[in-house]
Amino acid sequence: DTGVSQDPRHKITKRGQNVTFRCDPISEHNRLYWYRQTLGQGPEFLTYFQNEAQLEKSRLLSDRFSAERPKGSFSTLEIQRTEQGDSAMYLCASSKQEWGTEAFFGQGTRLTVV
Amino acid sequence: QQQVKQSPQSLIVQKGGISIINCAYENTAFDYFPWYQQFPGKGPALLIAIRPDVSEKKEGRFTISFNKSAKQFSLHIMDSQPGDSATYFCAASKGDKIIFGKGTRLHILP
Repeated sequence: DTGVSQDPRHKITKRGQNVTFRCDPISEHNRLYWYRQTLGQGPEFLTYFQNEAQLEKSRLLSDRFSAERPKGSFSTLEIQRTEQGDSAMYLCASSKQEWGTEAFFGQGTRLTVV
Repeated sequence: QQQVKQSPQSLIVQKGGISIINCAYENTAFDYFPWYQQFPGKGPALLIAIRPDVSEKKEGRFTISFNKSAKQFSLHIMDSQPGDSATYFCAASKGDKIIFGKGTRLHILP
């Protein structure tokens, strides 16, 4: 499978715990995006990387959220001290850098905070 | 501030009919307008996209109409089929992140 891979697919955690999600982009893509999607809503932009550089972070990304892409390949998204409001689908996408190129999405990690 | 506004929220169309979803955007710096299709449990997948220097783009049964002066664009699905039942998102980008609308849940009646 050469698409965008996310792990885990589902995560249930207790409020206050830390969670970490992983995204493996398509290998030749140098851009990687994280989005959050709640039920009935469109994906909301969280952050994106070009190679290993984090170029932009949304105001949605509070101090409890951190994302890394240490070698410009896979990326991790960590949420510290989870809250019930963090329950959502976390989507990763990757694309080439050129204008207008398609962003390919993974199947997402569904987080439930109980 | 919602940069991409999409309507309707939901749409029911008879098989064989035309499905029309509309979007409006605020930022004139946007220069790439994709439409994504999402099935339950899956990530969004690109359906069709357009540049602002083109007024219409057609791919099979899917057509984007683009009105730059009105800052509006729409997706038309001709001969709608039950397999088209999904959630559709319009989006816009200015070369960096993609901003999505809130989505339209489309149901095609058999």
